[in-house]
Amino acid sequence: QQQVKQSPQSLIVQKGGISIINCAYENTAFDYFPWYQQFPGKGPALLIAIRPDVSEKKEGRFTISFNKSAKQFSLHIMDSQPGDSATYFCAAIAGGFKTIFGAGTRLFVKA
Amino acid sequence: GAVVSQHPSRVICKSGTSVKIECRSLDFQATTMFWYRQFPKQSLMLMATSNEGSKATYEQGVEKDKFLINHASLTLSTLTVTSAHPEDSSFYICSASRDSGNQPQHFGDGTRLSIL
Repeated sequence: QQQVKQSPQSLIVQKGGISIINCAYENTAFDYFPWYQQFPGKGPALLIAIRPDVSEKKEGRFTISFNKSAKQFSLHIMDSQPGDSATYFCAAIAGGFKTIFGAGTRLFVKA
Repeated sequence: GAVVSQHPSRVICKSGTSVKIECRSLDFQATTMFWYRQFPKQSLMLMATSNEGSKATYEQGVEKDKFLINHASLTLSTLTVTSAHPEDSSFYICSASRDSGNQPQHFGDGTRLSIL
């Protein structure tokens, strides 16, 4: 019940295309959902986050869509660029408890 | 804001050596700091959670005598890998959050530890 399931494991997208990464959870106590971007040899960097009282949040080319009833959320990267090639982790937090991370998605954007 | 600095970025040492890794929150006070271990192409594995001034809480299977954690101030936590062996070689990452509520964690850049 504490798991966050992330898919796909890897993703190849053409430059300019839309990258979509999906996550699903079971624990309804989760109330904060951040996404992290990690480049090789670096620590994860907070990309964008959402709380379950909104269905969508957009920051630049990055958008989170949140479906509370389905217990699913997704990251959309519009106009994907080669510089977006990285590993992306979704995560979920239940207030005061540790962060649960998805398994990660390795994104490769072809030039 | 929310910068976390981790040092060193890379360590190579002989088996049996103890290695200390520092994690500092540079522009905020970190009530809680976390230590992770990450294997190649895998997600982050939480090792322990530390709160300033109290003992760290270790995850199941993590040896507390092997991985010593100290969180002496609101801006500094250290992880000491004692008597390191080749199987301890890994990428260690710290993170910090402003409080124990549902706030995002901010990560350091990690330490690549290689034990010969």
